[in-house]
Amino acid sequence: AQRVTQPEKLLSVFKGAPVELKCNYSYSGSPELFWYVQYSRQRLQLLLRHISRESIKGFTADLNKGETSFHLKKPFAQEEDSAMYYCALHTGGFKTIFGAGTRLFVKA
Amino acid sequence: GAGVSQSPSNKVTEKGKDVELRCDPISGHTALYWYRQSLGQGLEFLIYFQGNSAPDKSGLPSDRFSAERTGGSVSTLTIQRTQQEDSAVYLCASSVATGGAEQFFGPGTRLTVL
Repeated sequence: AQRVTQPEKLLSVFKGAPVELKCNYSYSGSPELFWYVQYSRQRLQLLLRHISRESIKGFTADLNKGETSFHLKKPFAQEEDSAMYYCALHTGGFKTIFGAGTRLFVKA
Repeated sequence: GAGVSQSPSNKVTEKGKDVELRCDPISGHTALYWYRQSLGQGLEFLIYFQGNSAPDKSGLPSDRFSAERTGGSVSTLTIQRTQQEDSAVYLCASSVATGGAEQFFGPGTRLTVL
């Protein structure tokens, strides 16, 4: 079955600390993975995608096919990073499967 | 240009009533998606439309849910005989006609069924 698992519903870290939001997927094909973010009172928006191999707002994510993971990382968290983060798996065609989301809270 | 818009922003209804939620996608986007966002459930895929192809309805939770897209643009999600468990934020998104393309989301409609 195609599935995206984000094991942490809430992650709380101090400003300046490293942060890692976990994402594991289940898919037998070649996956395309994304991270979307929703800041308070804003729309859900794309943060980054694995095929771009880019760093956005200091965040990076590496696809690990062996561990079927796509964890989102940032070495030094900022208060403005506080938001809801969703990992998403595109499985072909136009269907995208989203995880349950992780709420990141960065404390001053 | 304008982003994805949805109306109404909030809808309160009584159990058993029908509701219609509207989505205006970004001009030129041929793919349109509906999701349901519930606390602890993440984003639940409901349905998507792509051009003139038959929609993928595999995510609709029951036959009380239906959606249509007229003229390849505006879409309406209809929930008949609403139940309390239908209470959620309903999100619409659109994208260009490429699988795996970035989805642009609307602000959502918060539905409360009393």
